[in-house]
Amino acid sequence: RKEVEQDPGPFNVPEGATVAFNCTYSNSASQSFFWYRQDCRKEPKLLMSVYSSGNEDGRFTAQLNRASQYISLLIRDSKLSDSATYLCVVLDNYGQNFVFGPGTRLSVLP
Amino acid sequence: GAGVSQSPRYKVAKRGQDVALRCDPISGHVSLFWYQQALGQGPEFLTYFQNEAQLDKSGLPSDRFFAERPEGSVSTLKIQRTQQEDSAVYLCASSPGAQAQPQHFGDGTRLSIL
Repeated sequence: RKEVEQDPGPFNVPEGATVAFNCTYSNSASQSFFWYRQDCRKEPKLLMSVYSSGNEDGRFTAQLNRASQYISLLIRDSKLSDSATYLCVVLDNYGQNFVFGPGTRLSVLP
Repeated sequence: GAGVSQSPRYKVAKRGQDVALRCDPISGHVSLFWYQQALGQGPEFLTYFQNEAQLDKSGLPSDRFFAERPEGSVSTLKIQRTQQEDSAVYLCASSPGAQAQPQHFGDGTRLSIL
């Protein structure tokens, strides 16, 4: 089993839709969690950190469930520019190793 | 520059040749990471430096892969006797502190082995 697993996608949604991505991780001692976004042929860029209490940044909401070892990302009122691959990232318990999920591809359609 | 810089952007080599990929991290960043990203996959960890010390090289797929950061800034990833399965995008990332805080990535080097 991979350390970090994500919905395989792709997700094709119309503009304005709400879409949610799920991510599970296997190492219960993992410390920190992030969502990165990667556009086609570009480098990954930090979208948001994921805090224990859940956090929101504009149209984006991230949730963490440590008991179930599960992270989610919700995008509301999706825009064409949200089309990208969303990578779930887990920092191991030593604080030195980022483990990336395989990514979930999102296409927002006009 | 302001960001992580990698060169070359694209590299094509024949099977069996040696290649060297360069990463220039953000000035002052302590931590430097190398990742390998195959098409349609997330980045896979290769190795990690804290200043000039290589603290983790557990992700290097074989002894043909070698990385160094002799002065604690620029890093080079070298692949000897390249194989077709080495074809991938090689990403470098840096972060300011000793721990892997959110990382800043370079554009990557797209390596194709013929």
